[in-house]
Amino acid sequence: GENVEQHPSTLSVQEGDSAVIKCTYSDSASNYFPWYKQELGKRPQLIIDIRSNVGEKKDQRIAVTLNKTAKHFSLHITETQPEDSAVYFCAARSYNNNDMRFGAGTRLTVKP
Amino acid sequence: DADVTQTPRNRITKTGKRIMLECSQTKGHDRMYWYRQDPGLGLRLIYYSFDVKDINKGEISDGYSVSRQAQAKFSLSLESAIPNQTALYFCATRGSGGYTFGSGTRLTVV
Repeated sequence: GENVEQHPSTLSVQEGDSAVIKCTYSDSASNYFPWYKQELGKRPQLIIDIRSNVGEKKDQRIAVTLNKTAKHFSLHITETQPEDSAVYFCAARSYNNNDMRFGAGTRLTVKP
Repeated sequence: DADVTQTPRNRITKTGKRIMLECSQTKGHDRMYWYRQDPGLGLRLIYYSFDVKDINKGEISDGYSVSRQAQAKFSLSLESAIPNQTALYFCATRGSGGYTFGSGTRLTVV
């Protein structure tokens, strides 16, 4: 089955700097890659996703890039703000399996 | 009203007890999922269901069972709880907009 690895496990940046979180996946049949943000004590919420037919997607300060050949995808947050502090999860869903596997999460701290 | 509702929010139970976690949704989605969250391990899939007659095991189904009573209801049972099942459990539904998670059930097995 699919295996998703996520790095780093923790990330601390200064307000205004950029943050990058990287994930790799194992199943070349995976075709959907969402990113979730989980604030302390709350449920994970979808912030952006990308499908395998595009290489990059942007939504205001966040962007996701996908390299299908290397089987990795990344989340980029620019101009970080303290409210960006949360745990971020990447995930991959295989066209064959229909279930979704998550990375272990990255705890992002944005220092004011 | 919450679109994916989990009950209870918190539960402490003893080793060996049977416990059921409930999930209901108002989104009209056919696909429902149960995940557990442990620190450093992310979200791991326990079971998923694509409709009332379709139940599938996820990556960590041992020690758990599920029941899809209706399109809107998907329950997770621990037949004989053990301490390493202490975790935060999330129910989720899947629609065209991706997954919607419930607020979670924090389960502690002592």
